[in-house]
Amino acid sequence: DGGITQSPKYLFRKEGQNVTLSCEQNLNHDAMYWYRQDPGQGLRLIYYSQIVNDFQKGDIAEGYSVSREKKESFPLTVTSAQKNPTAFYLCASSRAGGGAYEQYFGPGTRLTVT
Amino acid sequence: KNEVEQSPQNLTAQEGEFITINCSYSVGISALHWLQQHPGGGIVSLFMLSSGKKKHGRLIATINIQEKHSSLHITASHPRDSAVYICAVGAYNFNKFYFGSGTKLNVKP
Repeated sequence: DGGITQSPKYLFRKEGQNVTLSCEQNLNHDAMYWYRQDPGQGLRLIYYSQIVNDFQKGDIAEGYSVSREKKESFPLTVTSAQKNPTAFYLCASSRAGGGAYEQYFGPGTRLTVT
Repeated sequence: KNEVEQSPQNLTAQEGEFITINCSYSVGISALHWLQQHPGGGIVSLFMLSSGKKKHGRLIATINIQEKHSSLHITASHPRDSAVYICAVGAYNFNKFYFGSGTKLNVKP
């Protein structure tokens, strides 16, 4: 089965700790994205990558970091510098970058930092 | 100013009713996407369109490029249609999407 997996589904961390969210896809997609969703708000782009070993900041990249060492994987690290990290995080992929390709979403990771 | 505006924000309907959700956007687009988010949080893509109209089962999506407006219609609504419907546009010349804040639909039996 082709798709995107995110793990874990729920994640709890203490303030001041870095945490890494996993995103893996087996769709052979070039482009991958990380979004943040807060209650009552639309999805906001954190980082995106159009190709292996390359990524760009989105609208709210401060306090986050990513890597794209493999086509299948695009992990997101939420650092202690992110002032309000508690949110729902969604990973997505598409065949290529740009807005003309369908995005496929993972099931999301709900991060709670206390 | 949001690049994508959806209306209504919340919608309650009785089973069987015809439902319309509207989306207006202000940027040049490559394509417009309608997404469905279920209470568990997962998002699925319903439609991607750049012109005209598409139909899938009881769902119909239309777009008017000149007016920068799209509508999502649900015919014969059912409680299982209850979800948040999100309009997103793939911005032309930019490798990103803009998302509306979503329309929360509740269909009562």
